Amino acid sequence: QSVLTQPPSASGTPGQRVTISCSGSTSNIRSNSVNWYQQLPGTAPKLLIYSNNQRPSGVPDRFSGSKSGTSASLAISGLQSEDEADYYCAAWDDSLNGPVFGGGTKVTVL
Amino acid sequence: QVQLVQSGGEVKKPGASVKVSCKTSGYSFTNYGITWVRQAPGQGLEWMGWISGYNGNANYAQKFQGRVTMTTDTSTSTAYMELRSLRSDDTAVYYCARDSNIFGAWAYWGQGTLVTVSS
Repeated sequence: QSVLTQPPSASGTPGQRVTISCSGSTSNIRSNSVNWYQQLPGTAPKLLIYSNNQRPSGVPDRFSGSKSGTSASLAISGLQSEDEADYYCAAWDDSLNGPVFGGGTKVTVL
Repeated sequence: QVQLVQSGGEVKKPGASVKVSCKTSGYSFTNYGITWVRQAPGQGLEWMGWISGYNGNANYAQKFQGRVTMTTDTSTSTAYMELRSLRSDDTAVYYCARDSNIFGAWAYWGQGTLVTVSS
């Protein structure tokens, strides 16, 4: 059971907007930044969003992140077939003294 | 360019130990730490711990304390993760990732090492 809670799945048609939630607590999301990772099948995770809403170089601006209180969200606008992947949120947890992950959300492009 | 290349897959029996290596290149090894994350088949990501590339200080997740040791070899820019007393539920892909100036924002990852624990 993961410390951060994500929906197991999300889906949309090409061009749609999909949002993935990540729910935590005062010891993690409220107190610390949230990062998001994309994992394509059989590959290592890829940093998608850091510090709640910052995109690394090369990440399309279709991906955006936000945080409010003890929750965070990842939005994918203009959904594309190559966006089919698992998405994980992560944040430092002050109580556990280490980073924690969400259980992951599988995004399917219909 | 920054690269992290991990050692190959391993098959181990319950109770044995495994040592996974993560050879880095393309940056100054002592400037960044290395984090280890694992992923059981069909499951999510799990943080195992972190080691400083500068002085070898390590911080392990409570779940693995006593069973894991992370080390570095600055002469070869390589990090190691040893896990002992292996159980079947340690079967997973083990990843190393390089830290950045923002902890938890791991932009560079190894390719992963599958460790299979089976009798």
